[in-house]
Amino acid sequence: NAGVTQTPKFRVLKTGQSMTLLCAQDMNHEYMYWYRQDPGMGLRLIHYSVGEGTTAKGEVPDGYNVSRLKKQNFLLGLESAAPSQTSVYFCASSFSDRAGGEQYFGPGTRLTVT
Amino acid sequence: RKEVEQDPGPFNVPEGATVAFNCTYSNSASQSFFWYRQDCRKEPKLLMSVYSSGNEDGRFTAQLNRASQYISLLIRDSKLSDSATYLCVVSMDTGRRALTFGSGTRLQVQP
Repeated sequence: NAGVTQTPKFRVLKTGQSMTLLCAQDMNHEYMYWYRQDPGMGLRLIHYSVGEGTTAKGEVPDGYNVSRLKKQNFLLGLESAAPSQTSVYFCASSFSDRAGGEQYFGPGTRLTVT
Repeated sequence: RKEVEQDPGPFNVPEGATVAFNCTYSNSASQSFFWYRQDCRKEPKLLMSVYSSGNEDGRFTAQLNRASQYISLLIRDSKLSDSATYLCVVSMDTGRRALTFGSGTRLQVQP
């Protein structure tokens, strides 16, 4: 049982390049989330999904797109990377039937945009 | 104003000390409250939920004051392994089950 995994772990992009971050969970969770974490700031929600085939915007969605074609996977895309997107990206998942409740996080992807 | 505010620290304490962290939240409609722990360059992990009546888990005690919109975490008999950043987290319990994170309080326990 791997929990939540993320690939890649590290990436350096040039401004304008695109990339996709992959999140996978094997806990059969309905809910999945993408957060970014910047120094001195709490984790901020980028996009989330409440089930296969559904996605919605979070607090800071601009410059990102997501897809949830399979229940176990949640992809985060950057179409044209900007230096402001340098951050640590965390994926998380949770059960759907608990109020609030625990979210399980992946190990993170450290992205640098130059 | 941030939705969840914490003193960033660092709190430097000797082993065996008792240390307390506080957190305030701005949205009175918040329903669920948690403390997460994040080790350096690692992902956050749930430490404990916070209940209105207060709750304890070993050396850790969490308390909630809804009237003052204030959450606390008390760590007794600090261990070196307690060194980490402690994140105060609240949830609106809306359909998306999203969490709002404080920026964290860093604790360094020294030998």
